Amino acid sequence: EAGVTQFPSHSVIEKGQTVTLRCDPISGHDNLYWYRRVMGKEIKFLLHFVKESKQDESGMPNNRFLAERTGGTYSTLKVQPAELEDSGVYFCASSQDWQGVATFGSGTRLTVV
Amino acid sequence: GQQLNQSPQSMFIQEGEDVSMNCTSSSIFNTWLWYKQDPGEGPVLLIALYKAGELTSNGRLTAQFGITRKDSFLNISASIPSDVGIYFCAGQLGSNYQLIWGAGTKLIIKP
Repeated sequence: EAGVTQFPSHSVIEKGQTVTLRCDPISGHDNLYWYRRVMGKEIKFLLHFVKESKQDESGMPNNRFLAERTGGTYSTLKVQPAELEDSGVYFCASSQDWQGVATFGSGTRLTVV
Repeated sequence: GQQLNQSPQSMFIQEGEDVSMNCTSSSIFNTWLWYKQDPGEGPVLLIALYKAGELTSNGRLTAQFGITRKDSFLNISASIPSDVGIYFCAGQLGSNYQLIWGAGTKLIIKP
């Protein structure tokens, strides 16, 4: 089966611009998660979708971050406007059930300059 | 918030050496997971531990879930070049599916 796909793999944007990250989970996986790793730090949970619904968005840093999951398939994470501290690697993961171990995508490396 | 303290931060070893890394916390976890991240890739699950005291192996890798449920270690025996990468521990608290992650251990093998 195809894995979790993330696009783009890298993005360099200026402070104040908008960036949209996309994640295509494994087909049939209802659970989709977004994580972020700032350079050298731990990976941190951002939010969790079950199908198209946000199950838990307690990890979202602030209201500049907006995540959507249209029709319960792919998901987007938009940062608007981007700030320097938003730089990091954003991972998406999916699992068939919420207790299952999730499969991770390769991540999007976001650099805000 | 909850924290996992992972050590060491990095390791420089010779090929063939054994490796040991660990994670500790002040919180009690129900599940411990060990992941490896290769450059340019996402974390890949190596070993999952579900019971206190559990010792599980996956090839040359061995991991244990601490008796107190507050710690876990990962050992790699007879390291080889493809073992290089960043190893992460992650834990689950209670019924909360959210993973709490360590900051990672970067493994480098000296030529």
